[in-house]
Amino acid sequence: AQSVTQLGSHVSVSEGALVLLRCNYSSSVPPYLFWYVQYPNQGLQLLLKYTSAATLVKGINGFEAEFKKSETSFHLTKPSAHMSDAAEYLCAVGGGQNFVFGPGTRLSVLP
Amino acid sequence: GAVVSQHPSWVICKSGTSVKIECRSLDFQATTMFWYRQFPKQSLMLMATSNEGSKATYEQGVEKDKFLINHASLTLSTLTVTSAHPEDSSFYICSASPLLGHRFYNEQFFGPGTRLTVL
Repeated sequence: AQSVTQLGSHVSVSEGALVLLRCNYSSSVPPYLFWYVQYPNQGLQLLLKYTSAATLVKGINGFEAEFKKSETSFHLTKPSAHMSDAAEYLCAVGGGQNFVFGPGTRLSVLP
Repeated sequence: GAVVSQHPSWVICKSGTSVKIECRSLDFQATTMFWYRQFPKQSLMLMATSNEGSKATYEQGVEKDKFLINHASLTLSTLTVTSAHPEDSSFYICSASPLLGHRFYNEQFFGPGTRLTVL
């Protein structure tokens, strides 16, 4: 069985500050890992994905995530937050066609 | 690319009526489509998995007679909310997974969602 936890349902950062959103997973098979962003009343947009290639994955909008097998983590980072980054961020683990989503983290960016 | 559309994007209906939501994969064929439900400030909850040409597999607690799913082709799945009630008001999101052999076979591509409001 696969599961995902996201520490912190709500994270607030100042504009220009580092963004760190945490994701830990459990999987009995080598995982595929994903980060999605969701703006209000919209669907999910893929930020980045890990599919067993490079452990440091770069995505859109300046985000990146590092797969750490020893820590079963896939934390999302961005060096400098922008106001437009305020949204809901969902981490997901998928193997085959089965996706399991984490509970999500709402990111607020303060001016 | 791998684009999924949903129609309508929002719908308001009276209690007791039925509403159909369409999910289409626009530039790829999908063996499997998924339907999710999202309540305000909550994560996505999988409702059912739909395979082309066969019956959908519903998650525990989801009423199959209330949420009818049809996956008639490799590019179209529909979700019909029958006899809708205010508690069915939610954001419904579909996703589609490409066929084996597609370079994104192991991934899901999400539609933009449908906001259902039942009065």
